[in-house]
Amino acid sequence: DAKTTQPNSMESNEEEPVHLPCNHSTISGTDYIHWYRQLPSQGPEYVIHGLTSNVNNRMASLAIAEDRKSSTLILHRATLRDAAVYYCILRGGGTSYGKLTFGQGTILTVHP
Amino acid sequence: GAGVSQSPSNKVTEKGKDVELRCDPISGHTALYWYRQSLGQGLEFLIYFQGNSAPDKSGLPSDRFSAERTGGSVSTLTIQRTQQEDSAVYLCASSPQQGAYEKLFFGSGTQLSVL
Repeated sequence: DAKTTQPNSMESNEEEPVHLPCNHSTISGTDYIHWYRQLPSQGPEYVIHGLTSNVNNRMASLAIAEDRKSSTLILHRATLRDAAVYYCILRGGGTSYGKLTFGQGTILTVHP
Repeated sequence: GAGVSQSPSNKVTEKGKDVELRCDPISGHTALYWYRQSLGQGLEFLIYFQGNSAPDKSGLPSDRFSAERTGGSVSTLTIQRTQQEDSAVYLCASSPQQGAYEKLFFGSGTQLSVL
């Protein structure tokens, strides 16, 4: 499986933008880039996903490098409720599509 | 229901006992996934279902673990002869269809403690 690399932790202040990086240098042409987050004592929650183009939704934006070897999750204005572990995941096709590989993720701390 | 439902939310058992964990996916979702998360660790894939069949069982740790899905809906994860290393949060997720673009909806998990 193609792997992703994320920083172990990041910090932000409330109301400020947060840029969470992810490296995936072995990504294949059919891999989608997914982001999930996990709040304490909860199951992971979908945030956003993309293939080649940048994506925006109500939660966040996803910026994908032109060569697709890296991506950045952007939270435009961090709130205390955004404090969570953020996972960057590659999801391919074929029979392995169901086997998402969650790494250690990035622990985001948001300061008031 | 509105979301993925898992039961029980907590299960304490003695070493050597069998346990069954249940997952009710979102209505109409054809794909169902089981993961587990040990304390302070990331998620570990166990198995996923497309309909009632399981194309990938590669994550099941041993033959003590089994899972089934009936009627394309409810799934049960069974752990026989539980061991202390089985203690973890077991998470279930579902998605509308199969496909690399589909997003997963997770339940809140079952906290399993093996004494």
